[in-house]
Amino acid sequence: DIQMTQSPSTLSASVGDRVTITCRASQSIGNWLAWYQQKPGKAPTVLIYDAASMESGVPSRFSGSTSGTEFTFTINSLQPDDFATYYCQQYSSYPYTFGQGTKLEIK
Amino acid sequence: EVQLVESGGGLIQPGRSLRLSCAASGFTFDDYAMHWVRQAPGKGLEWVSGISWNSGTIGYADSVKGRFTISRDNAKNSLYLQMNSLRAEDTAFYYCARDTVSLIRGIFDYWGQGTLVTVSS
Repeated sequence: DIQMTQSPSTLSASVGDRVTITCRASQSIGNWLAWYQQKPGKAPTVLIYDAASMESGVPSRFSGSTSGTEFTFTINSLQPDDFATYYCQQYSSYPYTFGQGTKLEIK
Repeated sequence: EVQLVESGGGLIQPGRSLRLSCAASGFTFDDYAMHWVRQAPGKGLEWVSGISWNSGTIGYADSVKGRFTISRDNAKNSLYLQMNSLRAEDTAFYYCARDTVSLIRGIFDYWGQGTLVTVSS
């Protein structure tokens, strides 16, 4: 199985900050990676797919990039609504696997 | 509006069986592959199983292979998960999720609100 190592597990930041989350795949997954946001008690929502493509309706402050097997998710100018947990997920091969999650907290 | 509504969860003893259902509306159901994703309380996400639009392609996580069976009824706009030989580690919220295409691609663009399965004696 492909392991997705996501870091950090917790991130404290303030409104207006720029934050970055990293996900590393245990083997090559091409660009077959998505990023999801999950708020407490809610189902996840997809933000980014194919490593850097933005889902329709997602604010432009969210972005994704890749370098080899390392994937980066960035939020520019954090908004109050952005404090949530974020997951990466590979869909290169079965079984599809998620990173452990990053909880973004208000500093 | 796309809606996915799961049902069938509850408290079940280890070793018993349970069948989850997901009722879909607001889109052409047989145009999309579908998945089950679970989340143990307070934990991360785990993909469980996926099925293509015509049931021709099916995949399972290793943790459920041989115990769980995914199926769909396009005439009823419904997705199912038959869960046998349940274990304590199967305790989780089970989400029904839509793929973005008819064949399995693995991006989940719409999710239900989840149904909780608790396996305990």
